[in-house]
Amino acid sequence: SQKIEQNSEALNIQEGKTATLTCNYTNYSPAYLQWYRQDPGRGPVFLLLIRENEKEKRKERLKVTFDTTLKQSLFHITASQPADSATYLCALDSGYSTLTFGKGTMLLVSP
Amino acid sequence: DTAVSQTPKYLVTQMGNDKSIKCEQNLGHDTMYWYKQDSKKFLKIMFSYNNKELIINETVPNRFSPKSPDKAHLNLHINSLELGDSAVYFCASSQGDTTLAKNIQYFGAGTRLSVL
Repeated sequence: SQKIEQNSEALNIQEGKTATLTCNYTNYSPAYLQWYRQDPGRGPVFLLLIRENEKEKRKERLKVTFDTTLKQSLFHITASQPADSATYLCALDSGYSTLTFGKGTMLLVSP
Repeated sequence: DTAVSQTPKYLVTQMGNDKSIKCEQNLGHDTMYWYKQDSKKFLKIMFSYNNKELIINETVPNRFSPKSPDKAHLNLHINSLELGDSAVYFCASSQGDTTLAKNIQYFGAGTRLSVL
């Protein structure tokens, strides 16, 4: 079965810096990878999707890269703000219209 | 207008009881899911339904029985509740694995189940 690892359980950075979160996977070659944001007491919210033939995707201050050789995706938030504090989950295509989620990285942006 | 709504938001009950959680989506999606998020925040799929038919049934005790009366609704019934069932249960829906949608999932706000 697939194994997904997100680099750390928690990441603390200062406002204005770039946050970089890592998602590594094994035992599978997904056709796409997704990133979600989850705030306390709420369900995950979709942020970005990147396909296996795409190296990079951007949306406003967010950037996702996908390296199928390294089996890794990096999620960047530039000019981070305290409002970006949340848990970020990566998810892989698992077939049969399902996703397998990583455990998430809790990001805390300090003013 | 909430896209995926689930009720109740909180559910506190005694061991051995039977309870249900309801989920409705107004996005016109064909595929709906139930996930369990445990105390370590790990989000794990339990069931997947496509157009009212069960597609995926992960290793879940048969005390858990999903029911889909129509493609906009997927309810979860739990019999003989156990302490280990305490978790947050999320309903989600998607358009499925189409070229454009690529299984992007829309989640409800969750139901926090506490079994005492």
